[in-house]
Amino acid sequence: DAMVIQNPRYQVTQFGKPVTLSCSQTLNHNVMYWYQQKSSQAPKLLFHYYDKDFNNEADTPDNFQSRRPNTSFCFLDIRSPGLGDAAMYLCATSRGPGTGGRTDTQYFGPGTRLTVL
Amino acid sequence: KNQVEQSPQSLIILEGKNCTLQCNYTVSPFSNLRWYKQDTGRGPVSLTIMTFSENTKSNGRYTATLDADTKQSSLHITASQLSDSASYICVVRNTDKLIFGTGTRLQVFP
Repeated sequence: DAMVIQNPRYQVTQFGKPVTLSCSQTLNHNVMYWYQQKSSQAPKLLFHYYDKDFNNEADTPDNFQSRRPNTSFCFLDIRSPGLGDAAMYLCATSRGPGTGGRTDTQYFGPGTRLTVL
Repeated sequence: KNQVEQSPQSLIILEGKNCTLQCNYTVSPFSNLRWYKQDTGRGPVSLTIMTFSENTKSNGRYTATLDADTKQSSLHITASQLSDSASYICVVRNTDKLIFGTGTRLQVFP
């Protein structure tokens, strides 16, 4: 089945130790998103790629970076995780504006739960 | 400021009962409104989507309504099941962004 896959599902890292989260999709969607969701809060968009074009949200810390080497894969790099970065990280994909129109649906992966010790 | 507010914050009901979740928004321009279900430890899954001209949409036991004049939406769950226990998130799209509500945490007990 076409889907959005995130690995690992659970990640534990140490304060300040770089960590990379992975997302892959078999939907062949143009757009890939990374969200941060803290407990009992709404998901917060960090950035997204429209094809190879990177779009960073204004309030996303520099500590968060992303790479999209090809259509299928997108990575979230946290260069120096702090305790406040512990959260669920959600990857989502969509076909993109102009293709899905006003009902462009975002399909979410299961998330990666990041713990920072 | 674009905002989506949901109520109640949490809700407990008995299996088989109905319930209604509320969503108020101040998003402009409005493109569409979507209800997502998010199981604990999982990503959100879309339940319904409504554009400006639609005022009701059903998906099995889930029925969403939209009043674009008052900028309110509701999600009605009929004959609740244990598997309905989850967070329900109202998401409003403006031109290019999704504005998320903080969700209603629903717990269904036997």
